[in-house]
Amino acid sequence: ILNVEQSPQSLHVQEGDSTNFTCSFPSSNFYALHWYRWETAKSPEALFVMTLNGDEKKKGRISATLNTKEGYSYLYIKGSQPEDSATYLCAFNGNTGKLIFGQGTTLQVKP
Amino acid sequence: SAVISQKPSRDICQRGTSLTIQCQVDSQVTMMFWYRQQPGQSLTLIATANQGSEATYESGFVIDKFPISRPNLTFSTLTVSNMSPEDSSIYLCSAGRDRLSGYTFGSGTRLTVV
Repeated sequence: ILNVEQSPQSLHVQEGDSTNFTCSFPSSNFYALHWYRWETAKSPEALFVMTLNGDEKKKGRISATLNTKEGYSYLYIKGSQPEDSATYLCAFNGNTGKLIFGQGTTLQVKP
Repeated sequence: SAVISQKPSRDICQRGTSLTIQCQVDSQVTMMFWYRQQPGQSLTLIATANQGSEATYESGFVIDKFPISRPNLTFSTLTVSNMSPEDSSIYLCSAGRDRLSGYTFGSGTRLTVV
């Protein structure tokens, strides 16, 4: 059974704070690691697809790093804003093409 | 990226009945999947919808309960059969052209079984 774990489960920060979350995944049969942002009443939105060890991707104030040898990825949000409030999901893509999701980290940014 | 139209967006159904959820993709995609999100939990993969053949189900999910069709590269349906209150969840379809692209999700179907 593939295990994808995210921590923390939830996070409350003040507007302007920077924050980061962790995703751990199996280091064998790795193909890609996906990050999604899921706002209430909307569909999950793809943020990043990461494939290479040491990869680092950035989209505005959000960035992510990848370590495939030890099986973890970090997502960083710089200067959090209330509109960043959402659940952030990571998903492991192994040799079958299907995505196995972690439980998510729910971020609440207070103005 | 592909755009997915999923319907219905929500439904309230009687115990013992069945509901079919549809997903239409605006372009041909290689991969389509069906997920469930039970209250307080993350996305759980139900099955991979295979074009022109039987779906591939994950452990804990069976064809009799969740029959899936995928007649072509742009359309798939999921039926939740003989529903019970435990089937109350959000059901989402997902599609991807290739494994290096982010997969797109439908807007979800919020199902309540009473």
